[in-house]
Amino acid sequence: DIQMTQSPSSVSASVGDRVTITCRASQGISSWLAWYQQKPGKAPKLLIYAASSLQSGVPSRFSGSGSGTDFTLTISSLQPEDFATYYCQQANSFPLGFGQGTKLEIK
Amino acid sequence: EVQLVESGGGLVKPGGSLRLSCAASGFTFSSYSMNWVRQAPGKGLEWVSSISSSSSYIYYADSVKGRFTISRDNAKNSLYLQMNSLRAEDTAVYYCARICRAGVVGAPDAFDIWGQGTMVTVSS
Repeated sequence: DIQMTQSPSSVSASVGDRVTITCRASQGISSWLAWYQQKPGKAPKLLIYAASSLQSGVPSRFSGSGSGTDFTLTISSLQPEDFATYYCQQANSFPLGFGQGTKLEIK
Repeated sequence: EVQLVESGGGLVKPGGSLRLSCAASGFTFSSYSMNWVRQAPGKGLEWVSSISSSSSYIYYADSVKGRFTISRDNAKNSLYLQMNSLRAEDTAVYYCARICRAGVVGAPDAFDIWGQGTMVTVSS
């Protein structure tokens, strides 16, 4: 099974900051990686698929990069509504797996 | 509006059974693989099971294999999860989620549409 490891587990930042979250797969997954945002009590929301493709309706301040085993999610200029928990997910093979999550908190 | 609505959650004793349903609307349900994903209280996301558009391909997480059964009824635009031999560690919010590409058979992908979730609590 492919293990997904995110870092950091939590990060504090201010509105306007640039934030990067990383995700590492235990084996190569090409570009089969997705990123989600989840707010408390809500379902996850797809942000990025295929490592770097922006889901329709998602602001352009979100971007994804990487291939193989190392991936990043970047938020170029944090907005108040971006404070949430972010998860990566490998979409290369079953069983599917998620990273443990990164909680983005207000500094 | 594209929508998924789960139902069927509740409180059940260890060893008991529960059947979850997910009603789809606003898209051609029969064209998409569907999934169940769960989240234990205060924890991260865990993929549970996937079923292809025509039910030809079915996959389970090891943690539920042999106890849970995924199924779908394309005529009713509905997805199901039959959960047997429930354990305390199955306590979670259960989400149904749609694969983001139509016409993909038996292959994984990202999940673009999620339901609001239904809570399952396993406790004596």
